[in-house]
Amino acid sequence: DTAVSQTPKYLVTQMGNDKSIKCEQNLGHDTMYWYKQDSKKFLKIMFSYNNKELIINETVPNRFSPKSPDKAHLNLHINSLELGDSAVYFCASSDTQLAGGPADEQYFGPGTRLTVT
Amino acid sequence: AQSVSQHNHHVILSEAASLELGCNYSYGGTVNLFWYVQYPGQHLQLLLKYFSGDPLVKGIKGFEAEFIKSKFSFNLRKPSVQWSDTAEYFCAVKYVGGAQKLVFGQGTRLTINP
Repeated sequence: DTAVSQTPKYLVTQMGNDKSIKCEQNLGHDTMYWYKQDSKKFLKIMFSYNNKELIINETVPNRFSPKSPDKAHLNLHINSLELGDSAVYFCASSDTQLAGGPADEQYFGPGTRLTVT
Repeated sequence: AQSVSQHNHHVILSEAASLELGCNYSYGGTVNLFWYVQYPGQHLQLLLKYFSGDPLVKGIKGFEAEFIKSKFSFNLRKPSVQWSDTAEYFCAVKYVGGAQKLVFGQGTRLTINP
């Protein structure tokens, strides 16, 4: 059973297009995340949702809009794609993290390699 | 700013060699610490984690890490590496009481020659 799944695995598109990446987790977790891994393998958090509510929003262009229809899904929509958006995008999930509490393990999806030409 | 630094960008070892990968984090109070591994073409998997207690933590696949609070370090070790340990290794820190997020280091690529 796949714990955290993402679709598509590869996405090649042209500049200016709008695209979406989907993420689903079947672990019963309350918190989900989007990370961006650049060409140098550097991983940086973009967003985090807890029970469908946005709790972390790093400095990300507003062309990126996450949507969480329910706590098992967190999708990422990107408008007006730019060359610099090319990266691997990872979804992750974890149990509810209480403020000031320990961080439970985050389970990562397989990643979506986005190439903007 | 909260940051995590991994000193080694690319480490190349022969099988059976001992491994130590460095990780330092910026001061910020109480921390939770993690090491993740990313095998070629795969997603990140947790190797080990530290929340509190014994600063020497053991993880999967024979890996261990030691938290040294005075040095803000959480180095990863393995006494004898195998070819299958070839992967990218990421140190990550969560600052307790702060935003509920992991801050990752830039990763260390480990290549094991048979």
